[in-house]
Amino acid sequence: GAGVSQTPSNKVTEKGKYVELRCDPISGHTALYWYRQSLGQGPEFLIYFQGTGAADDSGLPNDRFFAVRPEGSVSTLKIQRTERGDSAVYLCASSLGAGGIWDEQFFGPGTRLTVL
Amino acid sequence: KNQVEQSPQSLIILEGKNCTLQCNYTVSPFSNLRWYKQDTGRGPVSLTIMTFSENTKSNGRYTATLDADTKQSSLHITASQLSDSASYICVVSASTNAGKSTFGDGTTLTVKP
Repeated sequence: GAGVSQTPSNKVTEKGKYVELRCDPISGHTALYWYRQSLGQGPEFLIYFQGTGAADDSGLPNDRFFAVRPEGSVSTLKIQRTERGDSAVYLCASSLGAGGIWDEQFFGPGTRLTVL
Repeated sequence: KNQVEQSPQSLIILEGKNCTLQCNYTVSPFSNLRWYKQDTGRGPVSLTIMTFSENTKSNGRYTATLDADTKQSSLHITASQLSDSASYICVVSASTNAGKSTFGDGTTLTVKP
């Protein structure tokens, strides 16, 4: 594909519901990242994958958040029992690798999540 | 704790003018520093990358500087255009965990005609 794509672009849900956000990285990129961005702030790291495994999930705020990347390509961020404080833009990025200086992250347009 | 502080928080300039955005960081051990441009409703796009040995790097009308001793970077925009209106985010990576970068909160630049 031409770039990183994320679906849906917008998601409105009710407090307590379960949501899934999808990310399609650039073909051939082994590393994939999830961030959360609130208005007026920079992206906040959540988790990153190297291949199929989560290399660092230290940014996930609690056990309601979970992410998978079963085949090393598409990733899904899952949020259980959503709370109003989860409302934010969720950004996904991918890079060729994750250890090198030149491993630039390419970002998707984000999914805007609103919890009512 | 690794931190990135950016200033000013927001800036308004007239089209054609120059401006400079600042970034101070405490990330250690330092690997690299990137400046990203984020248009409203879009994901960030990389403008420049600076490594430890580099002092200055240009990308068209954007020039980034790095002082690794004082842990400061700046992004200078010359002859601003309306399309430069965006948030500019400074991102610093540590060599011990390159996959987990530290992002600043950005400077929101508005260029007015």
